[in-house]
Amino acid sequence: DAKTTQPTSMDCAEGRAANLPCNHSTISGNEYVYWYRQIHSQGPQYIIHGLKNNETNEMASLIITEDRKSSTLILPHATLRDTAVYYCIVSSLLFGNEKLTFGTGTRLTIIP
Amino acid sequence: DVKVTQSSRYLVKRTGEKVFLECVQDMDHENMFWYRQDPGLGLRLIYFSYDVKMKEKGDIPEGYSVSREKKERFSLILESASTNQTSMYLCASSLSVPQIGTYGYTFGSGTRLTVV
Repeated sequence: DAKTTQPTSMDCAEGRAANLPCNHSTISGNEYVYWYRQIHSQGPQYIIHGLKNNETNEMASLIITEDRKSSTLILPHATLRDTAVYYCIVSSLLFGNEKLTFGTGTRLTIIP
Repeated sequence: DVKVTQSSRYLVKRTGEKVFLECVQDMDHENMFWYRQDPGLGLRLIYFSYDVKMKEKGDIPEGYSVSREKKERFSLILESASTNQTSMYLCASSLSVPQIGTYGYTFGSGTRLTVV
């Protein structure tokens, strides 16, 4: 699996858009970009994933650059409940199964 | 909603004890995973299973074993607990063929194990 690089921590004001970057310069053609988050004392929670097109769901948007070497997770109107550690992961689908390797992520703090 | 239930939230065991961590999921997921999480190291994969009776080593299997006798249950076993196995243990499950709305892993809330 390709490795990812994320900032260790970020702050964002409540109500503003939180933009979390991720570099994955060695991503290969069949690898997806996944984002998870982990709120304190809970297990990680799936947010969104994508291959090459931008994706949006009820939680967030995922913007993947054309060369696929980096991506940005966007939380459009951050709330205090979005304070968490955010993990960017790249992984291929092997026979329909996924083995995900989590790094240390970005600790996002939403400031009131 | 998919639920992944870990039998204990907190556990304290003595060095040398045999420890069983249980994980049950209720949505017929084929894949199940055990991770441990330590400060500064993120989540590390211990073992995983793609089917009943199947198991595969993850990145840090030493000192651990697993059992998957039924599809819904995946047990992590510490044969002889040691203090360096003090950690947060997280279980997860997923579908082999993801369907719309069911992507990704579903995690349990974790078991914080302390070995004294």
